[in-house]
Amino acid sequence: EAGVTQFPSHSVIEKGQTVTLRCDPISGHDNLYWYRRVMGKEIKFLLHFVKESKQDESGMPNNRFLAERTGGTYSTLKVQPAELEDSGVYFCASSRLGLETQYFGPGTRLLVL
Amino acid sequence: GENVEQHPSTLSVQEGDSAVIKCTYSDSASNYFPWYKQELGKRPQLIIDIRSNVGEKKDQRIAVTLNKTAKHFSLHITETQPEDSAVYFCAASKPGGSEKLVFGKGTKLTVNP
Repeated sequence: EAGVTQFPSHSVIEKGQTVTLRCDPISGHDNLYWYRRVMGKEIKFLLHFVKESKQDESGMPNNRFLAERTGGTYSTLKVQPAELEDSGVYFCASSRLGLETQYFGPGTRLLVL
Repeated sequence: GENVEQHPSTLSVQEGDSAVIKCTYSDSASNYFPWYKQELGKRPQLIIDIRSNVGEKKDQRIAVTLNKTAKHFSLHITETQPEDSAVYFCAASKPGGSEKLVFGKGTKLTVNP
């Protein structure tokens, strides 16, 4: 079974630019989560999809962040315009409906200069 | 909302010794407590989890204990090996809604040969 994949693995952009992160969950996993770890701090929840619907987006920091999950398969997280404080590692995780075990992707390391 | 505290932030042990990492949570409704291991540059990997209907779970050299009354849970690693060196995260989630994971800040474990 292929694991959760994320693209790109690293991204370096300037303040004010736009970046789009992509996550491909494990096939058959209807739950898809986005998390973020800012350097030295805990991994924090951003939002949760069930299939193509947003179940919980209470962790999204502000309206510069937009997440989509077209067709209930892969998901994208767009940051526009990026700010310095958006730097960190963005993780995606997926799980089956009704099961708590979340499987994480390798993360995208975002650096905003 | 849920808050998870994790201690210590760093832990250094000699190979063969035991290591213990402790977490406390605030929301008594939380009922699922996973532990993730993250090696440098890699994805967080689930190593063990426990649900609130049991007090202890063991898998080879790794064990987790849960005290629901005190709202704390601990990870125990026995006979540590250098490959156990990593950052360990505890997390908590509660049923219903998004079942998002709320993480502790992580413990950097170093096992010295």
